[in-house]
Amino acid sequence: EIVLTQSPGTLSLSPGDRATVSCRVSQTVNPSFVAWYQQKPGQAPRLLMYGTSTRATGIPDRFSGSGSGTDFTLTISRLEPEDFAVYYCQQYARSPITFGQGTRLDVK
Amino acid sequence: QMQLQESGPGLVRASETLSLTCIVSGDSVTNYHWSWFRQPPGKGLEWLGFISYSGGTNYNPSLKGRVTMSLDTSQNQFSLKMDSVAATDTAMYYCARNPYDWGQGTLVIVSS
Repeated sequence: EIVLTQSPGTLSLSPGDRATVSCRVSQTVNPSFVAWYQQKPGQAPRLLMYGTSTRATGIPDRFSGSGSGTDFTLTISRLEPEDFAVYYCQQYARSPITFGQGTRLDVK
Repeated sequence: QMQLQESGPGLVRASETLSLTCIVSGDSVTNYHWSWFRQPPGKGLEWLGFISYSGGTNYNPSLKGRVTMSLDTSQNQFSLKMDSVAATDTAMYYCARNPYDWGQGTLVIVSS
């Protein structure tokens, strides 16, 4: 099973700041099969990025993704109030599909 | 615009079978693979398995053979059954066309 480790576990920032979330993968995966999700309390996960760097429909361009091999990153260039949430990375290259443990983005 | 909607009992007794259905609108179930995920309260996301457009399946080994998925093309829906449930199976259950389209989820509580 491929293990995804996100860092940091919690990120405390202010609106307007830049946020960077890391996802380290235990084995090399094809970047075409790495996704990022945002989840707010009481809501389903919302797809932000797929194929490492392609924004899903309706996702603003302040969100970007990058990476290859075993290291992937989600960046939010300038935080808006609605961006404070939990973020998950996912690999769907190999079965079983696995997720990182999540990164909570809090208001500082 | 594809939409997925989970349905099923919100309360299941321990040792019994959990049964959920996902109704798909906006596209045909014969066009894609379909997954089930779950999320225990306050915890992370777990993939349960998928069923292909042709009915082939791939389950998460962590579930130790308790899971069965099926496809109903006449109703444009797919289903999940999980046997011998326990309190640890209490979770929000989501159906999805991974990674693109997800349902809103349905909470299943396993009672003793």
